[in-house]
Amino acid sequence: QVQLQESGPGLVKPSETLSLTCTVSGASISSSGYYWGWIRQPPGKGLEWIGNIYYSGTTYYNPSLKSRVTISLDMSKNQFSLQLSSVTAADTAVYYCARLSLWLEDYWGQGTLVSVAS
Amino acid sequence: QTVVTQEPSFSVSPGGTVTLTCGLSSGSVSPSYHPSWYQQTPGQAPRTLIYSTNSRSSGVPDRFSGSILGNKAALTIRGAQADDESHYYCVLYMDSGIWVFGGGTKLTVL
Repeated sequence: QVQLQESGPGLVKPSETLSLTCTVSGASISSSGYYWGWIRQPPGKGLEWIGNIYYSGTTYYNPSLKSRVTISLDMSKNQFSLQLSSVTAADTAVYYCARLSLWLEDYWGQGTLVSVAS
Repeated sequence: QTVVTQEPSFSVSPGGTVTLTCGLSSGSVSPSYHPSWYQQTPGQAPRTLIYSTNSRSSGVPDRFSGSILGNKAALTIRGAQADDESHYYCVLYMDSGIWVFGGGTKLTVL
């Protein structure tokens, strides 16, 4: 069974960089055909796609966040990571990592709340 | 930027059938957008119901089905139950590798 688990600081100061890691078990992030992605949900609001990284390393980002987002793979640890720079209170949200596919079932982590506050 | 549209809210009677839709601010949804549907209850992670237009995720009852209806993707729930009361989100895959979520539909069963 594919499982994903987010980890990282729950509190980040304004203007700093938010960094999260997603640890994958039950599947290899180097397997072809899958996108490894990040999605967020501000309190009381809907889901927002942040970006994906394909198994090949190609990245795709939400145009509204593109200038601040970096997603990367760590094949040796079977993990992928999110970095979001210059955060503000508007970046406070539950952050989910997920394995996405155009043709196959998705798998999501349970999510982690990240608050931006001084 | 493309906006994915969903009904903000919908209600259905217990045992009834409801169809939620997922459209585009400009253009029609087709299978090439690989629409997926998610169910989310408060405090929980989204649960995948449907992927690639009409494929049901493991463990999802066959009361839930996905399709293309006219120019939109659709999620149909038959025999609605009390625990179907949730938020439902669709997501569409754009040609450029970008994914866009709809704003979600709050479904009430009463």
